[in-house]
Amino acid sequence: ETGVTQSPTHLIKTRGQQVTLRCSSQSGHNTVSWYQQALGQGPQFIFQYYREEENGRGNFPPRFSGLQFPNYSSELNVNALELDDSALYLCASGTSGGTNEQFFGPGTRLTVL
Amino acid sequence: AQSVTQPDIHITVSEGASLELRCNYSYGATPYLFWYVQSPGQGLQLLLKYFSGDTLVQGIKGFEAEFKRSQSSFNLRKPSVHWSDAAEYFCAVGPHTGGFKTIFGAGTRLFVKA
Repeated sequence: ETGVTQSPTHLIKTRGQQVTLRCSSQSGHNTVSWYQQALGQGPQFIFQYYREEENGRGNFPPRFSGLQFPNYSSELNVNALELDDSALYLCASGTSGGTNEQFFGPGTRLTVL
Repeated sequence: AQSVTQPDIHITVSEGASLELRCNYSYGATPYLFWYVQSPGQGLQLLLKYFSGDTLVQGIKGFEAEFKRSQSSFNLRKPSVHWSDAAEYFCAVGPHTGGFKTIFGAGTRLFVKA
């Protein structure tokens, strides 16, 4: 059984650019959530996807968007990058209807210059 | 408002000493409660979780936590700390139903001295 994987590990972008982060869910899981963890803070919920549709969103602007694919892999897209978007982005997968336990990937470290 | 408070930004304990990390939450409905650990440059690893039933839950690596509804607390404990326990610890609360919006505390950094 493979765990949650994320790519790339690190990424450097400049302000105004767009970025796509990828996540592969753990086998058997049908939901995926994305979190932003700024330096020195706890993770903040961005959104969750279930059955390829957004199923809950935190306090993030529309320039943060996502996709979930039939094979339960997922993407996080961020447009018009700002310096404050620099953070560790965590993906977590789980099973709807279960105990709401999530399994986290190692994260992608995004630096915006 | 839903929130999780970890009052201690960092804690230093001697190896072999006991540990208690504090967590208080504010949540309108019956919560799921979690403790995660994060080593530098790593993702989050689940230590333990509380859903219902016995208020004292056991987790991995010798950790335990006690849910106290009257105090809205879910403190993490370990009787004897090992140097490898040095890491960041996050308390989190999530819903029983309706999604996975998990709210995390700001974390407590644990330092272990020899």
